[in-house]
Amino acid sequence: AQSVTQLDSQVPVFEEAPVELRCNYSSSVSVYLFWYVQYPNQGLQLLLKYLSGSTLVKGINGFEAEFNKSQTSFHLRKPSVHISDTAEYFCAVRAPYSGGSNYKLTFGKGTLLTVNP
Amino acid sequence: DGGITQSPKYLFRKEGQNVTLSCEQNLNHDAMYWYRQDPGQGLRLIYYSQIVNDFQKGDIAEGYSVSREKKESFPLTVTSAQKNPTAFYLCASTLAENTEAFFGQGTRLTVV
Repeated sequence: AQSVTQLDSQVPVFEEAPVELRCNYSSSVSVYLFWYVQYPNQGLQLLLKYLSGSTLVKGINGFEAEFNKSQTSFHLRKPSVHISDTAEYFCAVRAPYSGGSNYKLTFGKGTLLTVNP
Repeated sequence: DGGITQSPKYLFRKEGQNVTLSCEQNLNHDAMYWYRQDPGQGLRLIYYSQIVNDFQKGDIAEGYSVSREKKESFPLTVTSAQKNPTAFYLCASTLAENTEAFFGQGTRLTVV
């Protein structure tokens, strides 16, 4: 079984400042990792994903994340945030497909990013 | 355009009534999921289905039921046995291995 810990429930920052949202996971097998964003009263939208290969993953809206296997982390970063980045961000993990196994995602509890002017 | 459609967006029901939330996808995805979202709790898995006519309980299935009679549809019934049904419900789907989940816009259920 997998689990995800998002280390900060809320992160306030000023506009144009850099931001890092932290995500740690635990799993007995290798995993796929995802970051999603949710705006108020909406569904989740994929920001980026790590399946294999380069550990630095670039996503939409200028976000990127780095997979660190030794530290079991997948932190999300953006060098300069905008007011429009204010939203809730979710980290998720999923075990690789292996025939009969399921595809379900396990989510962290979310980090509310608030960008202030 | 392909996507996942949840309806209705807002739903009000009296306590003790069953209510069914609709989820339809035209992405030709194999697997479908229902999540419940409460403030500060993240997303918790209620039920999921990997193929038609088969589904499994997630982490918080008590008080809920589902069916998967068609690949495109995965309705969720919130029964009167669910002790605290007021929440935001999200439906999602995935194609197969190595892909992310696509989400609907959610249904906010309020039980009064």
